[in-house]
Amino acid sequence: QVQLQESGPGLVKPSETLSLTCSVSGDSISAYYWSWIRQPPGRGLEWIGYIFYSGSTNYNPSLKSRVTISVDTSKNQFSLNLRSVTSADTAFYYCARGRLGDSCYFDSWGQGTLVAVSS
Amino acid sequence: SSELTQDPAVSVALGQTVRITCQGDSLRGYYASWYQQKPGQAPLLVIYSENNRPSGIPDRFSSSTLGNTGSLTITGAQAEDEADYYCVSRDRSGPWVFGGGTSLTVL
Repeated sequence: QVQLQESGPGLVKPSETLSLTCSVSGDSISAYYWSWIRQPPGRGLEWIGYIFYSGSTNYNPSLKSRVTISVDTSKNQFSLNLRSVTSADTAFYYCARGRLGDSCYFDSWGQGTLVAVSS
Repeated sequence: SSELTQDPAVSVALGQTVRITCQGDSLRGYYASWYQQKPGQAPLLVIYSENNRPSGIPDRFSSSTLGNTGSLTITGAQAEDEADYYCVSRDRSGPWVFGGGTSLTVL
């Protein structure tokens, strides 16, 4: 059973970079679409982007200019960097395993981590 | 378009059947996947592809698609089904997208 765990600072200052890591256990990070999703408190879910195990990426167009997702297969981890953050980036951040066939879906999720943007 | 539209709120009487819909052009090419989210919890996949349920999801959850509209049906809603429900699909151009979510109340 695959398990995902987010880690990183819970507080980031405005204009700085939000950095999170997702550690994957119980499965190899090879294959699948390793994804980041966020949810501002009390609001809906927003897909941030994914990295395929080969290294190819796909980002939400609304965040593309500020986002980088990378993978470290040796550590079975993938990471999110979101630059130039503002209070609008305050949210619960989830990592998830994505799959793609005749639908796209996330079959395993981390528990989520709250990141607040504040000075 | 990358948008998926869901009704913000739906209610159902205990034991009755409810349908939650998700509308968007991307659903003409891909089936929606569906997620249940309860307060304080991560989302849980309940339906993927053409009406497939992950292990452990009750068979009262089912899905269907007609044109640009996907539907999640709960047949015989239980109190524990009260939650927010989200659909997901993708455009052929690549981005994956969530619907705005539907808050389900079981009366």
